[in-house]
Amino acid sequence: EVQLVQSGAEVKRPGATVKISCKVSGNTVSDHYMHWVRQAPGKGLEWMGLVDPEDGETKYAEKVRGRVTITADTSTDTAYMELSSLRSDDTAVYYCAMSSCSTSRCSMDIGVDVWGNGTTVIVSS
Amino acid sequence: QSVLTQPPSASGTPGQRVTISCSGSSSNIGNNYVYWYQQLPGTAPKVLISRSNQRPSGVPDRFSGSKSGASASLAISGLRSEDEADYYCASWDDSLSGWVFGGGTKLTVL
Repeated sequence: EVQLVQSGAEVKRPGATVKISCKVSGNTVSDHYMHWVRQAPGKGLEWMGLVDPEDGETKYAEKVRGRVTITADTSTDTAYMELSSLRSDDTAVYYCAMSSCSTSRCSMDIGVDVWGNGTTVIVSS
Repeated sequence: QSVLTQPPSASGTPGQRVTISCSGSSSNIGNNYVYWYQQLPGTAPKVLISRSNQRPSGVPDRFSGSKSGASASLAISGLRSEDEADYYCASWDDSLSGWVFGGGTKLTVL
């Protein structure tokens, strides 16, 4: 069974940078597009971006482009999401997610079906 | 303002059939698959429908998805109290080169 295990909660000051990890177990990160989705308190889901771990290709949502960097380390089967210049409205639960369909069979327009446990990020002065 | 439009709320009584709509455009739903996710309070989303109308293993057949043009629907039949949750639609958007979500629909079982 594939599992995505995320790093723990973070509290950051405005203007700081946060980096969250997502460890893939039961599968290999290099075979799957890794997505990041966030959810502000009481709000809906917001897609942030994805990475193809095989070649490092990324796609980012316009809202966070320029502040977000999504990477993957194939040696440790771990994906990362780094968000800089944090603001109070970045306070949210951040989820990593992946499609169980491999990149060799499916393109990035195939949706995710495995989700991480979520990481709470609080941005406060 | 979400790219995909869902009603903010829906409700039904146990045993009833409820439908949740998701409206998009030719750049997303009209040309790509739709996914539906269920999110129970305090938990990560769970996929209910993939590729517009396919139920992943383990999802009850009370849940079904359909798509017509640039709109999609999630139907829940034989409504149960445990179906009370938030439901989200999602699709790839060709113009944005990224994924877009609906704003979510809160389903209440009366």
